[in-house]
Amino acid sequence: EAQVTQNPRYLITVTGKKLTVTCSQNMNHEYMSWYRQDPGLGLRQIYYSMNVEVTDKGDVPEGYKVSRKEKRNFPLILESPSPNQTSLYFCASRDTFLAKSPQYFGPGTRLLVL
Amino acid sequence: QKEVEQDPGPLSVPEGAIVSLNCTYSNSAFQYFMWYRQYSRKGPELLMYTYSSGNKEDGRFTAQVDKSSKYISLFIRDSQPSDSATYLCAMSEDSSASKIIFGSGTRLSIRP
Repeated sequence: EAQVTQNPRYLITVTGKKLTVTCSQNMNHEYMSWYRQDPGLGLRQIYYSMNVEVTDKGDVPEGYKVSRKEKRNFPLILESPSPNQTSLYFCASRDTFLAKSPQYFGPGTRLLVL
Repeated sequence: QKEVEQDPGPLSVPEGAIVSLNCTYSNSAFQYFMWYRQYSRKGPELLMYTYSSGNKEDGRFTAQVDKSSKYISLFIRDSQPSDSATYLCAMSEDSSASKIIFGSGTRLSIRP
């Protein structure tokens, strides 16, 4: 089944404790992206990757890191999480660079930073 | 001011009604416009995609773009309870859509 998977789905952590949220897609998509979704603010792009070893900042990259060493994986790293990073995170992938190509979203990771 | 404004709702209409969902935007460079549907506890899924101004129809859904007014709409005809979801508009300046700006979403509820 074609899908984007994220792990963990739910995470409670404390300020400053490094964490990684994994994202994997099995559709051989070139484009991958991370978003956070907050009430009243909608989806905001954190980082995106057009291909392996190619990543770029979205609108809200501060406090996050990403890497794209393999086509299928795009982990999101929070080196020193803070409470303002409490949010719902979505990973997405797309077949081509073109806007008309639909993005497939993962199921989301709900993060609470205490 | 946000680049993309969307009424958060909630919007509640009876089954069979025509629904109109709207977004306004401030960036005149946006050329690619999308509507996503998000069911509760799920990731968004692409519903409609349009380029520049004009209308696009897909079954019960019609997307409309008015670039002169910086206003986009999504119409749902013969609305069904299964259409109950949050609808997000999204926009991009370029065809690669490397950066997509989303609206905050409108929560829609269709009453049986």
